[in-house]
Amino acid sequence: GQQLNQSPQSMFIQEGEDVSMNCTSSSIFNTWLWYKQDPGEGPVLLIALYKAGELTSNGRLTAQFGITRKDSFLNISASIPSDVGIYFCAGLQGGSEKLVFGKGTKLTVNP
Amino acid sequence: GAVVSQHPSWVICKSGTSVKIECRSLDFQATTMFWYRQFPKQSLMLMATSNEGSKATYEQGVEKDKFLINHASLTLSTLTVTSAHPEDSSFYICSASSRGSNYGYTFGSGTRLTVV
Repeated sequence: GQQLNQSPQSMFIQEGEDVSMNCTSSSIFNTWLWYKQDPGEGPVLLIALYKAGELTSNGRLTAQFGITRKDSFLNISASIPSDVGIYFCAGLQGGSEKLVFGKGTKLTVNP
Repeated sequence: GAVVSQHPSWVICKSGTSVKIECRSLDFQATTMFWYRQFPKQSLMLMATSNEGSKATYEQGVEKDKFLINHASLTLSTLTVTSAHPEDSSFYICSASSRGSNYGYTFGSGTRLTVV
């Protein structure tokens, strides 16, 4: 099925560094969602974006809905060890209730 | 906030037996529930979509007679893996949505199924 292009696939950073990851698509999406998944757990919603150009923050996390509706990025500032996990972007297209997922970005934070 | 409870969190069963996984929305009515399967180091793969009181819609390649989905109420959906085989071993995750104020999709904590 359709999948979003998420990059990078993995990141290894030092504690305190900022992180950026993004998702792109050739199709337009009406909603972008960013999730974090810890090992053996289900994804947890971090940020939801509903409007083109929208910039939303949740603590140290900031995400934006691209103006073209074909991309979104997630930034994490001042990373800490508990930020470790897999981050997924997901999108909804008009008329569909099925989420389309990216392949995930695995984040490793070295203390 | 929206909470989805999934049970069991892990289960080990013998080949040929059936296993039922429950997904409950605790503090909201879920108009739609989704069932996913996730293989190690991969993204979530949608198996089926279910709406309360109607038959589930399965994705291409998913056997509906093997993965039985029941969505009896606005707060409960179940996935039954029938006649399980080792290749059915995987991480199964449910998600619930409600066309309410946040329109977010909330996931359960997942079920690790191991078929021996």
